[in-house]
Amino acid sequence: KQEVTQIPAALSVPEGENLVLNCSFTDSAIYNLQWFRQDPGKGLTSLLLIQSSQREQTSGRLNASLDKSSGRSTLYIAASQPGDSATYLCAVLHAGNMLTFGGGTRLMVKP
Amino acid sequence: DTEVTQTPKHLVMGMTNKKSLKCEQHMGHRAMYWYKQKAKKPPELMFVYSYEKLSINESVPSRFSPECPNSSLLNLHLHALQPEDSALYLCASSQDPGSGNTIYFGEGSWLTVV
Repeated sequence: KQEVTQIPAALSVPEGENLVLNCSFTDSAIYNLQWFRQDPGKGLTSLLLIQSSQREQTSGRLNASLDKSSGRSTLYIAASQPGDSATYLCAVLHAGNMLTFGGGTRLMVKP
Repeated sequence: DTEVTQTPKHLVMGMTNKKSLKCEQHMGHRAMYWYKQKAKKPPELMFVYSYEKLSINESVPSRFSPECPNSSLLNLHLHALQPEDSALYLCASSQDPGSGNTIYFGEGSWLTVV
């Protein structure tokens, strides 16, 4: 059974810092890995999707990497801003088109 | 348009009520999903519809009954729910089941069972 773990569970940083969120998964047989953002009381916004054949994806200040063989992904956020405060979820798409989520990292960026 | 629309946004229902959650997408996606998310927990898969047919049911109790009337619509019929069923119910869709496409989520429907 696929299991996805995210560390840290919570992170509080001052504005402007670069930061790294970690995601690991137990079964490397995945189609892709997605990073989502969830604001309190809201749904999920897809940030980046990395196909299993890719190593990284970039969008603005966000960069996500994937090392499928070791079952790891990182989300790098450059020059963090208070508006980045949210919960970040990683999820892997695997057999049966099932998406399994990690527990999330709650990020607080302080002005 | 990459939008998945869910209604209602908030629903309060009694344990003897019958209600429905609705989900709509106009992206031509052929896979649609229902997820349940409890507070401070990640979403958990409930059902997957592939080409309007139920392909995955993650051992969900029969008091939750999904329906896919056409390729754009997905309903979740609710009957005789329990207070522990209170949660955020998220609908999602993707272009093609099993091909590793991006999955798009709606804003969710907040359900409170009293």
